[in-house]
Amino acid sequence: DQQVKQNSPSLSVQEGRISILNCDYTNSMFDYFLWYKKYPAEGPTFLISISSIKDKNEDGRFTVFLNKSAKHLSLHIVPSQPGDSAVYFCAASDMSGTASKLTFGTGTRLQVTL
Amino acid sequence: GEEVAQTPKHLVRGEGQKAKLYCAPIKGHSYVFWYQQVLKNEFKFLISFQNENVFDETGMPKERFSAKCLPNSPCSLEIQATKLEDSAVYFCASSDDRNYGYTFGSGTRLTVV
Repeated sequence: DQQVKQNSPSLSVQEGRISILNCDYTNSMFDYFLWYKKYPAEGPTFLISISSIKDKNEDGRFTVFLNKSAKHLSLHIVPSQPGDSAVYFCAASDMSGTASKLTFGTGTRLQVTL
Repeated sequence: GEEVAQTPKHLVRGEGQKAKLYCAPIKGHSYVFWYQQVLKNEFKFLISFQNENVFDETGMPKERFSAKCLPNSPCSLEIQATKLEDSAVYFCASSDDRNYGYTFGSGTRLTVV
């Protein structure tokens, strides 16, 4: 049972435009959400996170939006750059605390074209 | 150091052989996590440690898999009698108790033939 879903396996966006990556979850106990970026042959790199008490968190070009009622979150990248080309994973935690295990989605491969 | 160091990068084992993977967390991080990535995209949580104590082992297969984090040694994940289905990339991550978003190592690719 996939509790965190990323329904788009891939996304192609032109450089300079907005990239929107989506994530849905089913477990209402999840209270913290994270986005990771992964390049081939490397481990995932933490990008940005959001607590369930917020609906938006922004860090430079990256913004995460959370819609709790819809159990949906999205990552916006503006403007997109070629170096953003990677696989993006959404992850969720169901405990308060930094030691929680994460449940990952299956990833969306973003390609930013020139 | 400021990176999670995993060794070896690649490991090939015949079915039935033992595999042992190592992870050196970032100095000062008290939590260590192991994840298994099968089929390129699915990450599965295996086990976590708080210092040398098991914190959460709900993802560990009951048989053949074991893990340790001992003082002054790298953490280890051991698979006894490997099976073809154990072929995956195994990622270790570490965190402190202040911040979410733990730091991953670059993984060990285990191939069971």
